[in-house]
Amino acid sequence: EAGVAQSPRYKIIEKRQSVAFWCNPISGHATLYWYQQILGQGPKLLIQFQNNGVVDDSQLPKDRFSAERLKGVDSTLKIQPAKLEDSAVYLCASSFRWVGTDTQYFGPGTRLTVL
Amino acid sequence: DAKTTQPNSMESNEEEPVHLPCNHSTISGTDYIHWYRQLPSQGPEYVIHGLTSNVNNRMASLAIAEDRKSSTLILHRATLRDAAVYYCILRDRAGTASKLTFGTGTRLQVTL
Repeated sequence: EAGVAQSPRYKIIEKRQSVAFWCNPISGHATLYWYQQILGQGPKLLIQFQNNGVVDDSQLPKDRFSAERLKGVDSTLKIQPAKLEDSAVYLCASSFRWVGTDTQYFGPGTRLTVL
Repeated sequence: DAKTTQPNSMESNEEEPVHLPCNHSTISGTDYIHWYRQLPSQGPEYVIHGLTSNVNNRMASLAIAEDRKSSTLILHRATLRDAAVYYCILRDRAGTASKLTFGTGTRLQVTL
C-alpha cells in the first residue's frame, strides 16, 4: 500500500514570496490533515479536512495560509506572502475515518526555508 | 485534549530494554493513550495505543497504571533504528475532532 505522498521535499523562498505544497493521501482515506512543525517542537495542526470539507482550521493563519482538497482526494496548502517565521516542516497526514482513535499516517514532509 | 508530561531526553544502550514514561494526571475516562514516534527527517509514525489494559504489538508494549494517570512505553530491545522522538498523546475516543496534539516528546538516543 502506497503511503502519503508530498511534494516538493524541500523549498527555499524569499520572504513575501508565495509557495504551495501538495499532498496525496492514502487511497480511501476520508480525513486529511496539514501540520506545521517548527524546529525543536512537535507538529501543530493547521487544518483538517473530512472528504472535501473543512472540519478544523482554528490554528490556520488565514490572512496568509489557504488550503483546499478538491474532490476529497489531493490537497494543496498555500502560503502567500511568506514570512520568516513560516520556516518549518509541513506535514500531511491522512486517516481512514474521522473518529478520535484512528491511526494517522504521515508523509515525509516539506521543509520550507524562508530567507 | 488533556496534557501529558514526558522527559526531554533519554539514553539507552543497544539491545537493552527501554522504558519511556508519560504522566497524564488529568486524563478523562474516554481518553485513549497513543504513542507516535518521529525518526530523523521523517514524519511521525504510529507505535501503539491503549485504554486501560496493557497492550503489546510487534513494535512495543504499553503499560498503563491502574489509575491511568501514567503510562510507560517499553521497547524490549532497543536498536539504533529506534533512535527517535517519542510522543505520548491523549485522544478522546468519543470525539470526532481527531487531531493529534503533540508536545515536545522524549528524544531517545541509542548507543552501541
